[in-house]
Amino acid sequence: RKEVEQDPGPFNVPEGATVAFNCTYSNSASQSFFWYRQDCRKEPKLLMSVYSSGNEDGRFTAQLNRASQYISLLIRDSKLSDSATYLCYLYSNYQLIWGAGTKLIIKP
Amino acid sequence: DTAVSQTPKYLVTQMGNDKSIKCEQNLGHDTMYWYKQDSKKFLKIMFSYNNKELIINETVPNRFSPKSPDKAHLNLHINSLELGDSAVYFCASSPRLAGGSEQETQYFGPGTRLLVL
Repeated sequence: RKEVEQDPGPFNVPEGATVAFNCTYSNSASQSFFWYRQDCRKEPKLLMSVYSSGNEDGRFTAQLNRASQYISLLIRDSKLSDSATYLCYLYSNYQLIWGAGTKLIIKP
Repeated sequence: DTAVSQTPKYLVTQMGNDKSIKCEQNLGHDTMYWYKQDSKKFLKIMFSYNNKELIINETVPNRFSPKSPDKAHLNLHINSLELGDSAVYFCASSPRLAGGSEQETQYFGPGTRLLVL
């Protein structure tokens, strides 16, 4: 089993819709979790950290399910500018593990 | 006032050449990283330095040698370039390597697109 798995997509979603995707991980000792977004031919940028109790930042909600070993990202009222690749990143004891990303395309 | 900068942005070179990529951060962070992102888009950690000290050294050919003259700079030198080295190389920094989400959040440079012919 890969250390981190993400559905590569693309997810084609109409503007205004809600979309969610997951990132499953195999290392139960993973300590810190993050969602980054990467636009085409650009560097990854932090979207949000993922806290144990779940957290929200505007239209974005991140959740952590330790029992099932996944994190999720929910985007409400999606905008054209949300089109990007979303990478999950996990850190644990000097192990830096990145997912390959889920590509999201928001259509007008 | 760029936070993490890399030079050059593009590098096209012949197989067998030696090249260097420079990285600088003005965020006052202690930890810096080099990543390789290949055509499949996987971000793979290569090296990490904390206060000029190498702390992560993944399985990378020894043709790749990082150098950190001070904690704001982390350069990557590549000897005898091979076709398979073609990729985007990202430098990043974080306040610390560990210590919770705020300390571990990484900030990336714009990347160096390396093409080996």
